[in-house]
Amino acid sequence: RKEVEQDPGPFNVPEGATVAFNCTYSNSASQSFFWYRQDCRKEPKLLMSVYSSGNEDGRFTAQLNRASQYISLLIRDSKLSDSATYLCVVNPGTGGFKTIFGAGTRLFVKA
Amino acid sequence: DAEITQSPRHKITETGRQVTLACHQTWNHNNMFWYRQDLGHGLRLIHYSYGVHDTNKGEVSDGYSVSRSNTEDLPLTLESAASSQTSVYFCASSGGNRGLNTEAFFGQGTRLTVV
Repeated sequence: RKEVEQDPGPFNVPEGATVAFNCTYSNSASQSFFWYRQDCRKEPKLLMSVYSSGNEDGRFTAQLNRASQYISLLIRDSKLSDSATYLCVVNPGTGGFKTIFGAGTRLFVKA
Repeated sequence: DAEITQSPRHKITETGRQVTLACHQTWNHNNMFWYRQDLGHGLRLIHYSYGVHDTNKGEVSDGYSVSRSNTEDLPLTLESAASSQTSVYFCASSGGNRGLNTEAFFGQGTRLTVV
């Protein structure tokens, strides 16, 4: 089992749609979680951190479920500019030594 | 502004040659990472460092080496380039203690082709 797993997609949605991505992680001691966005042929950039209480940034909402060991990203009112690959990122807990990236979920938003 | 830069941005080399990819950050971050990205595999960790003179192997370290002689730089060396090492390489850095709870900043990537 991979340490961080994501549905690779692609997700094809119309503008204005709501779309959700999930990511599961295997290390129950993991301490911090992030969603990164990567545009084609570009470097990944931080989209948002994920907190236990859940957090929202405009149209984006991130949730963490420690019991089931997954994090989610919800995008409301999708825009064409949201088309990208979304990477789930997990930092392990004490004793862990590396940031782990999921393989990414591709999103295409259509007009 | 602080930044992280990679050079070269594009490189074509021949099988068997030694190649070094440079990564330089001005964030004064302790943690630096090298990843490769191939279609269908996402980002895979090659090597990482948590400080000067500290280096560690990642999941795909065979054929690669790194050294950390100062805070700013983590060069990645391909000892004898192979066609399987054709890929896009990303360097990243992050602050904090061993990379916990901190955002990682990425360089723009180096596209390496081994012919």
